Amino acid sequence: DSGVTQTPKHLITATGQRVTLRCSPRSGDLSVYWYQQSLDQGLQFLIQYYNGEERAKGNILERFSAQQFPDLHSELNLSSLELGDSALYFCASSTSGNNYNEQFFGPGTRLTVL
Amino acid sequence: DAKTTQPNSMESNEEEPVHLPCNHSTISGTDYIHWYRQLPSQGPEYVIHGLTSNVNNRMASLAIAEDRKSSTLILHRATLRDAAVYYCILRYSGGGADGLTFGKGTHLIIQP
Repeated sequence: DSGVTQTPKHLITATGQRVTLRCSPRSGDLSVYWYQQSLDQGLQFLIQYYNGEERAKGNILERFSAQQFPDLHSELNLSSLELGDSALYFCASSTSGNNYNEQFFGPGTRLTVL
Repeated sequence: DAKTTQPNSMESNEEEPVHLPCNHSTISGTDYIHWYRQLPSQGPEYVIHGLTSNVNNRMASLAIAEDRKSSTLILHRATLRDAAVYYCILRYSGGGADGLTFGKGTHLIIQP
């Protein structure tokens, strides 16, 4: 158990809909990262937040957005969903936002878009 | 992050040592070498990282070549639970922040 929690575990929705994925980092970790894992694209970094502020952006679509709240939990919002958005979404946390710190991953949310 | 090259897959027997290679010929002086693994149906898991010297922890050892252009992750006594995809990732430590760049990794198969 990494100490990172993600809800829900599974999500099934229809195209065009909007969903919110939630992540609680390990106690004391200030940085949260979001990743997407699909069969064709592999594991891709989406976005990073550090202590409530956006810190780095990866391959995140404009239809996707995220935020980190004062209690440090984070939410990833996915809108106008397409079939291709079906994937595993992982959240990770680390103590700081620096590149040399290890990241601790949650169990993921499996999103299925029908 | 600079690029790494790993074999697509490797096979080993249970209770034997496993040496997982990684080539990173374009590594810069400020790049850390990180290893993560992903067990089936789980999120990635940090294994070990190092800069220049060899490193050991409870999970594995990391051997870094003198010129730093390659490294080897060593599992001293593989168990069935070590069957996973192993990722070698270079992380720039000179400042700034970014997410991890995962390649295809090495799929490690452990035979009982």
